[in-house]
Amino acid sequence: GAVVSQHPSRVICKSGTSVKIECRSLDFQATTMFWYRQFPKQSLMLMATSNEGSKATYEQGVEKDKFLINHASLTLSTLTVTSAHPEDSSFYICSALLRGAGNEQFFGPGTRLTVL
Amino acid sequence: GENVEQHPSTLSVQEGDSAVIKCTYSDSASNYFPWYKQELGKGPQLIIDIRSNVGEKKDQRIAVTLNKTAKHFSLHITETQPEDSAVYFCAASMRTSYGKLTFGQGTILTVHP
Repeated sequence: GAVVSQHPSRVICKSGTSVKIECRSLDFQATTMFWYRQFPKQSLMLMATSNEGSKATYEQGVEKDKFLINHASLTLSTLTVTSAHPEDSSFYICSALLRGAGNEQFFGPGTRLTVL
Repeated sequence: GENVEQHPSTLSVQEGDSAVIKCTYSDSASNYFPWYKQELGKGPQLIIDIRSNVGEKKDQRIAVTLNKTAKHFSLHITETQPEDSAVYFCAASMRTSYGKLTFGQGTILTVHP
């Protein structure tokens, strides 16, 4: 099946620093990837759509200068949380769209970000 | 935009019983309805999906039904096992949304041995 990986799985950082999270599709090419944020006991909230070779599309209320997204290749998208603050602490999950198979979306294992 | 409502928020069953989770959607243009299972600290895993040209789909102990007229779809798990315990999310997507999913609120399923 389609496999999506994320790195790191867990990160703790100090307030004011930037953190980069990588999302890779391991066995298929993904022209589109999505980034979600999930708070404890809540559903997934779509942050942005990442398209290979073009600018990401952000959902309403998501600061594009705060959450930088780069989709540099057909298998890699990165999310950088800039100048992180404690309220940015969350579970960040990426997914990759498997085109040609009915637009199935496969999720990565998630990254737990804790900002001190 | 699309809105997906999911019920119940929690569901507790005995091992061997059946579990049913229901979702409604608002946009009749939605045509793809996946279900995901999420275990604690992990990403969601696709367990079954259905498209608008089909009314029912089965995969071993799991089945999904879709009623386009009423705009609702349901997940059915038979012969539940403790390892089925997890959070289940329904979602909906439109052909024109380029794969964007709208998720339901999630259901915490607990299967007691």
